[in-house]
Parts: sequence; structure tokens; C-alpha cells
Amino acid sequence: GQQLNQSPQSMFIQEGEDVSMNCTSSSIFNTWLWYKQDPGEGPVLLIALYKAGELTSNGRLTAQFGITRKDSFLNISASIPSDVGIYFCAGLRIYNQGGKLIFGQGTELSVKP
Amino acid sequence: GAVVSQHPSRVICKSGTSVKIECRSLDFQATTMFWYRQFPKQSLMLMATSNEGSKATYEQGVEKDKFLINHASLTLSTLTVTSAHPEDSSFYICSVRGGITDTQYFGPGTRLTVL
Repeated sequence: GQQLNQSPQSMFIQEGEDVSMNCTSSSIFNTWLWYKQDPGEGPVLLIALYKAGELTSNGRLTAQFGITRKDSFLNISASIPSDVGIYFCAGLRIYNQGGKLIFGQGTELSVKP
Repeated sequence: GAVVSQHPSRVICKSGTSVKIECRSLDFQATTMFWYRQFPKQSLMLMATSNEGSKATYEQGVEKDKFLINHASLTLSTLTVTSAHPEDSSFYICSVRGGITDTQYFGPGTRLTVL
């Protein structure tokens, strides 16, 4: 099925470094969501964005809904070992696709202590 | 706290048996519930969408007779994998959408292993 273009696919960083990942699409979305998935667990919602241009923070995490409504980024500041996991972006169109979430391919984050 | 619960978290069964997985929305009445399947190192694949009291809508390529979905109430949906085979082994995750912001939340997942 259709997917968002999420990059990078993987990142290996040192503890304390900042991280940035993004998702782009050729189509417009009404909502952008960012999830984190730990091994053997379901995705956990990190940040939800509902308006173009919206910038939202959740602790060390900051995400923005692109002004064109076709992209979003997630930043993690001062990474720590427990940030390890797979991060997924997801977009939602209410009027098309039956209201189904469209997922990015995921960004696998590894943090070296 | 958890918004969605899923039971069981792990199940191992013999080939040919049926397995039922329960999904409960804990915080709100979910207008829509979803079932996903996930293979290792891959993104989530939507299997079906269900609304309470109506038949589930299955994605292309998903056999409705194989994966039976019952959306019994606004807080409970079940997925039954009928006559399971080893190729059905996977991580199954349910999801609910609703609440004030109509945001989508995921359950903790069920690891199914068919021997």
C-alpha cells in the first residue's frame, strides 16, 4: 500500500546528540502522528499534529506539521539510551483512503552510551 | 496509562487450530477499531477496519474467512485466526481511534506462533 517517505532508515548516534528525522509525501494530510515502537511492543503515540505549521513539544521531543501539509519532522534533543527503538510517522486523510493511517517505513535509532 | 489492551500477549498453537485475540479500548468508546499485522523490521500492515455493529472492511489480499473480526461493542473487538498455519505466525496489533481529538492509539500487540 501507499507509504510515506521516511528518512533516514536508521541512525547510530552517541548519547547526548540531537536527532532529526522526517517524513514527506506527494499528498496532503490532515493529521500527522509520530509513534515509537520498542521490540515486541505496539507503537506508542509520541506527538499528534493537527494544523499546518503546528510545532509541538513533548519533553525532549519536538515535531512540526509542515506548512504545505505534505511533510513533518521529529527532533529528539540530548538523546539517551532509552530513546532506542523504531520511530514511525503516520499521516491521516479524513476524506480519502477511508480515514486510514498511512505509515512511513520507520527510522531505527541506536544510541551508544 | 494504557489506552488499549490486547490479550493474549503471546500465543503458540498447533497448525489447524483457531486463535482468538481480544482488543479493548480502555479510555474511550472507539468509533473505529483496526487490526494490523507486522513482520520483523517492517512497518505496520493494515488488515481490516471495523466499526461497532457493522461488518469489517478488509484490505485487499486479506482473507475475511481466515481472519474473522467481531466488533462486539464500542470497547471490544476480536480477531480470530481460523485454521492457523505457520505462515500466519506474526505480530498482530489492534488499534482504536476516538476520543476528543479522534487520535489513533495502538495495543501492545500479540505474538502468534503457529507450529
